Amino acid sequence: ETGVTQSPTHLIKTRGQQVTLRCSSQSGHNTVSWYQQALGQGPQFIFQYYREEENGRGNFPPRFSGLQFPNYSSELNVNALELDDSALYLCASTPTGAPNEKLFFGSGTQLSVL
Amino acid sequence: AQKVTQAQTEISVVEKEDVTLDCVYETRDTTYYLFWYKQPPSGELVFLIRRNSFDEQNEISGRYSWNFQKSTSSFNFTITASQVVDSAVYFCALSDYAGGTSYGKLTFGQGTILTVHP
Repeated sequence: ETGVTQSPTHLIKTRGQQVTLRCSSQSGHNTVSWYQQALGQGPQFIFQYYREEENGRGNFPPRFSGLQFPNYSSELNVNALELDDSALYLCASTPTGAPNEKLFFGSGTQLSVL
Repeated sequence: AQKVTQAQTEISVVEKEDVTLDCVYETRDTTYYLFWYKQPPSGELVFLIRRNSFDEQNEISGRYSWNFQKSTSSFNFTITASQVVDSAVYFCALSDYAGGTSYGKLTFGQGTILTVHP
């Protein structure tokens, strides 16, 4: 048990639609990171939020955006979905986001874009 | 740029065999952290170990052991006397200060699928 929960577990969307994925972090964890894991690949860093502000971003376009709320919940929003957005989306939380912290991952949301 | 390479895509062994998963990394930072995570079919990544760049001591935890060699930029993982429950995808990952920012972005390898047969 990592204390990180994600919803929904599975989602099917069509190309061009918008999607919101949700994550509930551990209490006291002020940092949440989102990762995209395509089939057969390692997770790729999308962005990180610390105390409700984005403080780091990977190589993803602006149509990937996020929000973090004071109650340790967060959202990943993806606009104008493309077929290549089909992947497992993982949320991870840590207390401060420092490089030496281990991440506590949720089980992910499996997104399929048709 | 950071990069992590896991040489083996898939490994298949019979229970009780020893197995080593290789990991090679690239980074320009002198301070960095290396991790191994396990991903069972449920999907969530489970933390196994963290090692900082200044600590080259090998570590053993039960049937698991890790060999960190800075000279070859490698951080290999060995499971001794493997069991069916060890079947999973294993990821090696690197975290550094990313050119001055302090957020903990992890760069993952492609993963190694380990299957342990009874």
